[in-house]
Amino acid sequence: AQKVTQAQTEISVVEKEDVTLDCVYETRDTTYYLFWYKQPPSGELVFLIRRNSFDEQNEISGRYSWNFQKSTSSFNFTITASQVVDSAVYFCALGGFSGGYNKLIFGAGTRLAVHP
Amino acid sequence: DAGVIQSPRHEVTEMGQEVTLRCKPISGHDYLFWYRQTMMRGLELLIYFNNNVPIDDSGMPEDRFSAKMPNASFSTLKIQPSEPRDSAVYFCASSFSGLLGEQYFGPGTRLTVT
Repeated sequence: AQKVTQAQTEISVVEKEDVTLDCVYETRDTTYYLFWYKQPPSGELVFLIRRNSFDEQNEISGRYSWNFQKSTSSFNFTITASQVVDSAVYFCALGGFSGGYNKLIFGAGTRLAVHP
Repeated sequence: DAGVIQSPRHEVTEMGQEVTLRCKPISGHDYLFWYRQTMMRGLELLIYFNNNVPIDDSGMPEDRFSAKMPNASFSTLKIQPSEPRDSAVYFCASSFSGLLGEQYFGPGTRLTVT
């Protein structure tokens, strides 16, 4: 069975601090995909990144970076020099193929509060 | 370009009433998804369509829920009869690259069943 664990329910930081959001996954698939989505206070989810299981290269996009480690089944997300606008709920998700269909499950989310 | 459009944004109804949620996907996207978000269960995929055809409805909680996509620009999620435990935020999303690609979410419909 597939599972995504985001152990950090809430994180509170002060602006300009670096913060890492953890994501640990479980799957028996050899081919799978990992995602991060952001849900700002306005409500709609916004896609941030997708990684497939064969690409362990870390990714950097501006102040955002992602660390994919298959050895520890983790796909962690780091925000450097956090800003108030980063305040949101962040979801990690795992996609794969099961029972004849593509499947996608989301973690419980981590609520990040960045204070001025 | 307009994003995914959902209506209504808020719905309050009494138990036993029929509720219909509506979604207009982004033009050109041939995948449409319905999700439900609750505090207890998090974000769950209910059903998704490809080219207006339902592909996987295994996430639909029970027979009281039904979804249709009569054309490429419109989908509905209906709950009949509604129950208080159906209270949640319902999201519609669309994509041109499938369930495992980048999805574009609508603003959601907050449903309250009293």
